[in-house]
Amino acid sequence: DGGITQSPKYLFRKEGQNVTLSCEQNLNHDAMYWYRQDPGQGLRLIYYSQIVNDFQKGDIAEGYSVSREKKESFPLTVTSAQKNPTAFYLCASRSTRQGVNTEAFFGQGTRLTVV
Amino acid sequence: RKEVEQDPGPFNVPEGATVAFNCTYSNSASQSFFWYRQDCRKEPKLLMSVYSSGNEDGRFTAQLNRASQYISLLIRDSKLSDSATYLCVVNRVGSNYQLIWGAGTKLIIKP
Repeated sequence: DGGITQSPKYLFRKEGQNVTLSCEQNLNHDAMYWYRQDPGQGLRLIYYSQIVNDFQKGDIAEGYSVSREKKESFPLTVTSAQKNPTAFYLCASRSTRQGVNTEAFFGQGTRLTVV
Repeated sequence: RKEVEQDPGPFNVPEGATVAFNCTYSNSASQSFFWYRQDCRKEPKLLMSVYSSGNEDGRFTAQLNRASQYISLLIRDSKLSDSATYLCVVNRVGSNYQLIWGAGTKLIIKP
């Protein structure tokens, strides 16, 4: 079955630690995204990538880093510079070959908590 | 003004009723519009795309009003299972890749 897989589902981080969230897709999508969602809020874009070896900052990139070495994979690192990392993190992918009206598909999310 | 705005609700609606909510967007050049549904502590899932001519999928109808810059979602004969948060999504003008998400409208269907 095609889809997007995020891991882990739950992650606990100590203050000052870097942690990496995994996102893998087998939909052959070019574009991949990382969003952050806080309670009662919409999705805010952290980083996105249109193609392998290229990525762009979103609206709230500070304290985060990404890589796109393979089309299928777009891991997100939450660094110690991110002062308030507790949130629900969602990875998405999207085909960009069929015009503008293409939906984004999501992984099941990673719930990160700082302890 | 936010790029995409929604009434956060919650909308408390009896089962079987019809409910409608709107989403306004700030950039008149926006081209792509979607409604997503998000259940509590889950990922968003596409409910429907919104086309210029409007579109219907069973009990759900989506419409686009370009003159007033809003999209709407109408749910007829609401079911308990329709309880969720409904997210409005619009493309960021100048980018086919970036989507802007509303904060969502929470819908609660009561028996």
